[in-house]
This record gives sequence, structure tokens and C-alpha cells, in this order.
Amino acid sequence: EAQVTQNPRYLITVTGKKLTVTCSQNMNHEYMSWYRQDPGLGLRQIYYSMNVEVTDKGDVPEGYKVSRKEKRNFPLILESPSPNQTSLYFCASSFGGKLFFGSGTQLSVL
Amino acid sequence: DAKTTQPTSMDCAEGRAANLPCNHSTISGNEYVYWYRQIHSQGPQYIIHGLKNNETNEMASLIITEDRKSSTLILPHATLRDTAVYYCIVRVEGNYKLTFGKGTLLTVNP
Repeated sequence: EAQVTQNPRYLITVTGKKLTVTCSQNMNHEYMSWYRQDPGLGLRQIYYSMNVEVTDKGDVPEGYKVSRKEKRNFPLILESPSPNQTSLYFCASSFGGKLFFGSGTQLSVL
Repeated sequence: DAKTTQPTSMDCAEGRAANLPCNHSTISGNEYVYWYRQIHSQGPQYIIHGLKNNETNEMASLIITEDRKSSTLILPHATLRDTAVYYCIVRVEGNYKLTFGKGTLLTVNP
């Protein structure tokens, strides 16, 4: 089944403790991206990648890192999480204009 | 990409057609209209897209006015499971970045 898989689904952590949210797609898509969703602010793009080893900042990249060493994986790294990064995160991959989203990761930073 | 305007919320009776409008008066000739929906806290789901002709698939129909300044997404027989936020987005071919606005919350009532 074609899908985008994110893990974990829920994560509670403390300020400053490095974490990684994984994202994997099995559709051989070149484009992948990360979004965060906050009440009243909608979906905002964090980072995107047009292909392996090619990444670029979206609208809200501060405090995040990404890597794209293989086409299928696009992990989101928070080196030193802070409470304002508490949010619902979505990974997506794309073919043309059709975005395929993962199920989301609800992150709480205490 | 052109900006879109959608009503904040709409109601529809179960079994009836749901007609969701979208205004995109500044759309340019090479911009497509895309519709996505997001069921509570799940990842957004692609529904349909079109350029100038009306489109239909197994989920919905998309009616684009002749001047392309507005469109309507039609769910022909709404069910309770169609309760979601519906996003109308315009996108230039080749531009992978999609900007999600606040969308329309469609509530399907029994």
C-alpha cells in the first residue's frame, strides 16, 4: 500500500532533549516536506526536499533540521526542543501537485 | 500562488449534496485549483484538482467557472464521515509548495 509513515504518533519530551521524528515513503517520490499545524495558524511548511541531498527552508525553519540521505526517508530533527515547538507535525511526499501526508506526530515539549 | 477565499464553515444534511465554494479571483492562466480535506487531526487528503475544465472522480466533482475566478467542490451524497476541513489551493505547475489557508469546516448533520 502506498503510504507515508511517520513515527512516533505521540511524543512527550522535555526542553533541550534532542529528538528525531522519522518519515518514510514507499512511492519513490522525489519531493518530501514537513509541516507543523497549530490552532488558528493552519499548516505551515518547515522544510522541504526536492531530491536526495537537496533540502531547503520553508516558512518556519527555526529550531529544526532535516536530512535527505535516501529518497525514501526524510527525518525531522529538533536539536534542542523548546515549548513553542509543541505542535502537530506532518510529513508529506508529492507526485506533481498531489501531496500524500503521514498520520501526524503530536509533540509536546515540557 | 494566487490567494483563495473560502467560507469559514458550512453545514449539510446527510445524503444531500455538499457544495463548497472557493474564490480565487487573482488566479493566473497556469495555476491549477486543488482541493484537500482534513478530518480531525489526521493528515490532509487529496481530493481533486483541475485547470479549466470540470473534473470528477470517485470522491467529488470540481466545477470551475469559465473565467476561472471561482470554483465549487461538490460532494454528491455527503455522509457523516465527510465532516472535515476542506482546503482550496491554487498552485502553479511545477511548484511543489502548497500554502494551506484556514479552509471551510464542513459539518454533515444526521
